[in-house]
Amino acid sequence: ILNVEQSPQSLHVQEGDSTNFTCSFPSSNFYALHWYRWETAKSPEALFVMTLNGDEKKKGRISATLNTKEGYSYLYIKGSQPEDSATYLCAFIDSGAGSYQLTFGKGTKLSVIP
Amino acid sequence: DVKVTQSSRYLVKRTGEKVFLECVQDMDHENMFWYRQDPGLGLRLIYFSYDVKMKEKGDIPEGYSVSREKKERFSLILESASTNQTSMYLCASTLGTGGDWRYEQYFGPGTRLTVT
Repeated sequence: ILNVEQSPQSLHVQEGDSTNFTCSFPSSNFYALHWYRWETAKSPEALFVMTLNGDEKKKGRISATLNTKEGYSYLYIKGSQPEDSATYLCAFIDSGAGSYQLTFGKGTKLSVIP
Repeated sequence: DVKVTQSSRYLVKRTGEKVFLECVQDMDHENMFWYRQDPGLGLRLIYFSYDVKMKEKGDIPEGYSVSREKKERFSLILESASTNQTSMYLCASTLGTGGDWRYEQYFGPGTRLTVT
């Protein structure tokens, strides 16, 4: 069973603050890393799919970086807004597993205080 | 917009009942998945399918079976529901063929199942 760790488990930030959180994964047999946002009472929604070491992706105020050699990805949110409140999930795909399953972390729950 | 729909948002069943959870996607995706989400745990894969009538076990298939008779529909079956199957069940689909899962997954809204 692969170990995908997300930290912190939860955090509260003030509106306007920037924040970041981490996804750690095995550094061998990397295939891809996904980031999802899951708002309460909604479906998880994909933010980024990252496949190359050094990848940086951006969508509005949210960006992500990837370091496959050391096994981590950062998600950054600039100028947090209340609508950013959600659980952020990362999912790792291992090329050595044969079936290329996604292994999800437990998520980081972000609450943005107006 | 890709749409993944699930038959029920909330479901309450009794222990021992046979339970069907239905999932339909409208984007002609070949790959479909069933996950469950429990407090303190990440999404865990129950079963997946990469083609009609094809199915593969995920990490926690015990107590479940699946059916994929049509490309757009993937059903999760609890043969004899038990209280430890009380959970949030999420269906997802993705582009790609033959297990190429680099593409983002599109999720349904989830079914919260309670087994009493």
